[in-house]
Amino acid sequence: GAVVSQHPSRVICKSGTSVKIECRSLDFQATTMFWYRQFPKQSLMLMATSNEGSKATYEQGVEKDKFLINHASLTLSTLTVTSAHPEDSSFYICSASISRGAHEQYFGPGTRLTVT
Amino acid sequence: GNSVTQMEGPVTLSEEAFLTINCTYTATGYPSLFWYVQYPGEGLQLLLKATKADDKGSNKGFEATYRKETTSFHLEKGSVQVSDSAVYFCALSENGAQKLVFGQGTRLTINP
Repeated sequence: GAVVSQHPSRVICKSGTSVKIECRSLDFQATTMFWYRQFPKQSLMLMATSNEGSKATYEQGVEKDKFLINHASLTLSTLTVTSAHPEDSSFYICSASISRGAHEQYFGPGTRLTVT
Repeated sequence: GNSVTQMEGPVTLSEEAFLTINCTYTATGYPSLFWYVQYPGEGLQLLLKATKADDKGSNKGFEATYRKETTSFHLEKGSVQVSDSAVYFCALSENGAQKLVFGQGTRLTINP
């Protein structure tokens, strides 16, 4: 149980376009979802936390207008990278937790974004 | 701020060898500590955790003890298998918060 999927697994887009990444909890309802970014050989950096039905809370230094997060239902959160640039190329990972305050997060397999 | 530092990889061992992956942390309060594992092509999975000093987390033959005096949470396994090949992440969360702070990950390869 507690499976999280991400779609797409890989995406290549041109500079200036927008890309949407979906994160779904397949067999549970996720009150809270998290979006991380991982650079090569570096740790996961939390970008934002979203609770269903409310606005996402962004970490310091993360542009909320560039990385739009929508947590419209208890099983789906989306991250849209707007006006993508090559420096946005990265591995984006989502996770979900069953309840607010729950320690355990269930992670998706990640999405590799390449901006050309 | 809070941070986690773990031993740089990659680490390559032979099957049945003893494994240690070092992890130390900096935190202002009383964090909970975690080890996550990422197998090839999969998402991170919680391997084990400890929520207070001197607690020992264990799972699948792996162990880690929360050492407050040395601010460490080293991962150990007595006899590794090829199937243990993965990337291992040490992480902390502070004072019951959900936010996780990760180390940089250690890639482990076990050769038969």
